Amino acid sequence: DIQMTQSPSSLSASVGDRVTITCQASHDITNCLNWYQQKPGKAPELLIYDASTLETGVPSRFSGSGSGTDFTLTISSLQPEDIATYHCQQYDDLPLTFGGGTKVEIK
Amino acid sequence: QVQVVQSVPEVKKPGASVKVSCETSGYTFTRYGITWVRQAPGQGLEWMGWISGYNGNTNYAQKFQGRVTLTTDTSTSTAYMELRSLRSDDTAVYFCARDLFSSSWHLGYWGQGTLVTVSS
Repeated sequence: DIQMTQSPSSLSASVGDRVTITCQASHDITNCLNWYQQKPGKAPELLIYDASTLETGVPSRFSGSGSGTDFTLTISSLQPEDIATYHCQQYDDLPLTFGGGTKVEIK
Repeated sequence: QVQVVQSVPEVKKPGASVKVSCETSGYTFTRYGITWVRQAPGQGLEWMGWISGYNGNTNYAQKFQGRVTLTTDTSTSTAYMELRSLRSDDTAVYFCARDLFSSSWHLGYWGQGTLVTVSS
């Protein structure tokens, strides 16, 4: 199975800060990576697919980059409504596997 | 618009079985598969398996092989996940999700989740 390692596991930042979350795959997954946002008590929502394509309706302050084994989710200017846990997921091979999640809080 | 609605929470005793439903609408059911993912309390997301809405073909995570069965009812556009021989560590929220695009593995439409509690 492909292991996905996310870091950090949690972070605290101020409104307006630039936030970066990383996800590392145990094998080369080219660009087969999705990012999800999950708010407390809710289902995950797809933010970015194919490593860098923004899902329709997602604010442009979110962006994704990377290929191979190293990927990044960036929030260019953190907003209060971005408080959530973020998950990466690879789909290069089955089983689909997820990172452990990154909880983002407001400082 | 695409809607995915899951069944209500369940409480089960160890050793029992649970069957969670995932009713969909707003699209042609047979053109997309349904993925099942679970999330234990305070934990990350775990893929359980996938079923084709077209022909019922399945792919299960090794961890759940022999204990989980995914099925569909195309007449009602509903998918089902049955988990048997429940243990306390099966306590989790179980989600179903549809691909954003057919065969894409981008989980674009999610149900609200069904909490399954396993307790004696």
